[in-house]
Amino acid sequence: AQKVTQAQTEISVVEKEDVTLDCVYETRDTTYYLFWYKQPPSGELVFLIRRNSFDEQNEISGRYSWNFQKSTSSFNFTITASQVVDSAVYFCALSESLYNDMRFGAGTRLTVKP
Amino acid sequence: EAQVTQNPRYLITVTGKKLTVTCSQNMNHEYMSWYRQDPGLGLRQIYYSMNVEVTDKGDVPEGYKVSRKEKRNFPLILESPSPNQTSLYFCASSLNRGRNTGELFFGEGSRLTVL
Repeated sequence: AQKVTQAQTEISVVEKEDVTLDCVYETRDTTYYLFWYKQPPSGELVFLIRRNSFDEQNEISGRYSWNFQKSTSSFNFTITASQVVDSAVYFCALSESLYNDMRFGAGTRLTVKP
Repeated sequence: EAQVTQNPRYLITVTGKKLTVTCSQNMNHEYMSWYRQDPGLGLRQIYYSMNVEVTDKGDVPEGYKVSRKEKRNFPLILESPSPNQTSLYFCASSLNRGRNTGELFFGEGSRLTVL
């Protein structure tokens, strides 16, 4: 069965610090998809990234970067030079192939203090 | 504008009083789903639909019903709400979900309180 673990319940940093949010997943499928979503205080869910299991390339988008490692079943998310606007709950999610659906982790609440 | 619309956004009701949370998407997505979000538990899937007239249970379907008579609409029905259904509910849709390639587009959420 698929499972996503976000062991960090809450993280607090000071602005401009770098912060890494951990995500560990379990799946028996060889084809699967990993996602990160952001939920700001306003409550909506914002898609950040999708990664396919057959593409282990890390990705960078501005201050955001993602490290996908199949060997450790991890898909960690790093924010460089954090800003107050990064304060949110971040969810990691896993979706297996055909007819299995997206499973979310419990989320990590990030607070960035000025 | 492409969007998923849920109504109502906020609702306080009493135990046993039937209610429906509507969800509509304008992106011609085949796949739609309902999630509930509770503190410390993340989002858990209630029901999903691969296409019109095709629905299936998610992880926490007890106490809920759904229907998919039209592609754009996927209402969530609580026949006899109970306090443990107090939660934040999200509707989501996706294109080509059967091939499992697309991200989910979420509605803004519906906060339900059952007294």
